[in-house]
Amino acid sequence: EAGVTQSPTHLIKTRGQQATLRCSPISGHTSVYWYQQALGLGLQFLLWYDEGEERNRGNFPPRFSGRQFPNYSSELNVNALELEDSALYLCASSLRGTTVDTQYFGPGTRLTVL
Amino acid sequence: GQQVMQIPQYQHVQEGEDFTTYCNSSTTLSNIQWYKQRPGGHPVFLIQLVKSGEVKKQKRLTFQFGEAKKNSSLHITATQTTDVGTYFCAGSSKIIFGKGTRLHILP
Repeated sequence: EAGVTQSPTHLIKTRGQQATLRCSPISGHTSVYWYQQALGLGLQFLLWYDEGEERNRGNFPPRFSGRQFPNYSSELNVNALELEDSALYLCASSLRGTTVDTQYFGPGTRLTVL
Repeated sequence: GQQVMQIPQYQHVQEGEDFTTYCNSSTTLSNIQWYKQRPGGHPVFLIQLVKSGEVKKQKRLTFQFGEAKKNSSLHITATQTTDVGTYFCAGSSKIIFGKGTRLHILP
């Protein structure tokens, strides 16, 4: 069974540009979570999608947005990129959106903003 | 809102020594999950604890959930170089992670 996949692996942008990151969950999983992990730091929750709807949002500005498609894959968009947006962006999926369902993480997208 | 604190932030141990990381919550948790992230890797699910006072073992790893369900610990017996990484706990909501404990093993 294929795990969570993310693309691209690396992304280099300049300040003010927009970045689009993609995530494909494990087959059968309906929930997708996005996290930001700045270098050497913990995981900061960004967004949670389940069944195509945004269920929860972390403490990030509106320029961080996303969506979930009918096939449950997801996209994270970051507008007006700032230097401090440089981080590893991790996507995770779970079977459903309950608190007991295990999250499985993808390998991440390393975003560098110059 | 819910906060999850982890201590210590860093731990250096000699290979073969034991290691423990602690996770404390400001609120009662319905469950707690532990993850391991190897250097350069992504978090990998280790275990979930649900019951008050629960203790679970995975080979050299022992996980405990406090009686009040506000704290948890991960203990590694006789550490090996393969244990290197950062260990995270996550609270009931699954989305609130502690900052992690980074384990370094000295040969």
